[in-house]
Amino acid sequence: EVQLVESGGGLVQPGGSLRLSCAASGFTFSSYSINWVRQAPGKGLEWVSYISSSSRTIYQADSVKGRFTISRDNGKNSLYLQMNSLRAEDTAVYYCARDRGGSYYDYWGQGTLVTVSS
Amino acid sequence: QSALTQPASVSGSPGQSITISCTGTSSDVGGYNYVSWYQQHPGKAPKLMIYDVSNRPSGVSNRFSGSKSGNTASLTISGLQAEDEADYYCSSYTSSSTLRVFGGGTKLTVL
Repeated sequence: EVQLVESGGGLVQPGGSLRLSCAASGFTFSSYSINWVRQAPGKGLEWVSYISSSSRTIYQADSVKGRFTISRDNGKNSLYLQMNSLRAEDTAVYYCARDRGGSYYDYWGQGTLVTVSS
Repeated sequence: QSALTQPASVSGSPGQSITISCTGTSSDVGGYNYVSWYQQHPGKAPKLMIYDVSNRPSGVSNRFSGSKSGNTASLTISGLQAEDEADYYCSSYTSSSTLRVFGGGTKLTVL
């Protein structure tokens, strides 16, 4: 069974940092691209970042460029999102989602909540 | 403001059919057959319902169908059931630097 489990969320002050993790199981992690997608409270989905299976290709939303860094460790079946210079508008549930051919997300984790507030 | 435009809400009675539209541009919906639809119940993660415009993943009811005409994609749910009440989001590949775009979401109410 494919599973994606996010962790690392919590309360952080504006300007602070946080590192999210996504642990994958039930499939060959190193063969798939993965995305981070977030959802602010009561709002819609927003794509955040993409990393290819080999980490060779990375894309980021303009709203997080220069502040967030996506990475992965295929040996540990894990995906990461390093978030720096956090702002109130980064408050959201962050999901990791498996990518299929650049077209769609077929599996999603349960999400981890990040709250940026003083 | 989302890149793709969806109606904020739609409603229907059990057994009826409803259609949710998703309007983009020639740089996303109209330019590629990479439209997908996701169902999200409150407090839950999104679930893939339709991919590549009209394909259903294994396990998704055949009451769900997708189509596209020009820059507008559509999700149709036939034989509405109470369990279909949820938020629905469309997504498309885009040629812009953002790679992927979502619609703002549509709240489906089953009356």
